[in-house]
Amino acid sequence: SSELTQDPAVSVALGQTVRITCQGDSLRDYYASWYQQKPGQAPVLVIYGGNNRPSGIPDRFSGSSSGTTTSLTITGAQAEDEADYYCNSRDSSGKHDVVFGGGTKVTVL
Amino acid sequence: EVQLVESGGGLVQPGGSLRLSCAASGFTVSSNYMSWVRQAPGKGLEWVSVIYSDGTTKYAASVTGRFTISRDNSKNTLYLQMNSLRPEDTALYYCARDDPFTDAFDIWGQGTMVTVSS
Repeated sequence: SSELTQDPAVSVALGQTVRITCQGDSLRDYYASWYQQKPGQAPVLVIYGGNNRPSGIPDRFSGSSSGTTTSLTITGAQAEDEADYYCNSRDSSGKHDVVFGGGTKVTVL
Repeated sequence: EVQLVESGGGLVQPGGSLRLSCAASGFTVSSNYMSWVRQAPGKGLEWVSVIYSDGTTKYAASVTGRFTISRDNSKNTLYLQMNSLRPEDTALYYCARDDPFTDAFDIWGQGTMVTVSS
């Protein structure tokens, strides 16, 4: 079972804003990263260090964090943003090196 | 070009073994943290194992004692030796570069499928 908790699914109207959250005790000690995964494709890093975008990731993707909760926001969602999104962080419990959230399916209506 | 290419997956019977390979290009495996992450069909991502640049290795509880991560510096390749395989090990196995400065997996391979079934 994941030690980071995500809502299983969210939907957003085209062009609107959606926020995906991720909760876990490890987030008190470590920044989260976020990955986008489209069907049949490998995950792609979209946010790291809480709110940093790798080169090539559109600026409509942003991250934030507070306490044990981290969020990924897509501002002005596009059809191509429909995908599964996973958060992850180092594991402060010491049981694992890394933990992933269970993933959130984002549907763009 | 920076990339990772996995190979070695296939169909194996319960109790069997497989060795996965992950060939890197564009960067040096031994200078980086490298991880294996798996994804069972229709399920989420699960971290499996990491090898640090200093050679330290760590494993998820579900594979400890059965899987071994290693690397061949001369071939710039990462490996995952999987023994005593179980049906629940069936998954797409990705290798990924694990950046210790950003705590993020910034490069991923396309994955290699492992199916454990009789």
